[in-house]
Amino acid sequence: GIQVEQSPPDLILQEGANSTLRCNFSDSVNNLQWFHQNPWGQLINLFYIPSGTKQNGRLSATTVATERYSLLYISSSQTTDSGVYFCAVDPLGDYKLSFGAGTTVTVRA
Amino acid sequence: GAGVSQTPSNKVTEKGKYVELRCDPISGHTALYWYRQSLGQGPEFLIYFQGTGAADDSGLPNDRFFAVRPEGSVSTLKIQRTERGDSAVYLCASSLRGSNTGELFFGEGSRLTVL
Repeated sequence: GIQVEQSPPDLILQEGANSTLRCNFSDSVNNLQWFHQNPWGQLINLFYIPSGTKQNGRLSATTVATERYSLLYISSSQTTDSGVYFCAVDPLGDYKLSFGAGTTVTVRA
Repeated sequence: GAGVSQTPSNKVTEKGKYVELRCDPISGHTALYWYRQSLGQGPEFLIYFQGTGAADDSGLPNDRFFAVRPEGSVSTLKIQRTERGDSAVYLCASSLRGSNTGELFFGEGSRLTVL
């Protein structure tokens, strides 16, 4: 099956700092989503981004489908940004998301 | 409802017991998914429904696990003869037509603990 690798596995930030999370995948995809899992376990949709660039407030994401990677940018981080960020992809010809192992982000005040 | 609803939010049971977990998807979503998430890992696919039928159940770990969606809306995940290794958060997600064409939206999960 498709391989989804996220880096770094852990990230510690000071409040106000910027950061970049990366997702590499091993095959062509129909769909790519970024999620934030909060401390209560809820998976929150951040971006549906099979290609291109999107922005939502302090977060933005870019997917370069031809090079099989996606980046999630967090700017001016806040303590509420803490949690695990997951990248998930749906390979071409498939219809289910496969998740990476996640990046655990801790933002310190 | 506005989002995917799962019940119960927490379930503690004893080894060998039978458990049912319920998922109510977003209204109008034809695709429904069950995932399982163990501590420190990403969610893993269990089963996918398109309408009433299970289009792909390749992620179910063994024949103790079964899921139904009789009317194409609410789904129930059933686990027989539970084992301690079944302890995990069970996540349900729905999509308008399927993840190959659009977003998946997840519920808050049902945390299962088998003692």
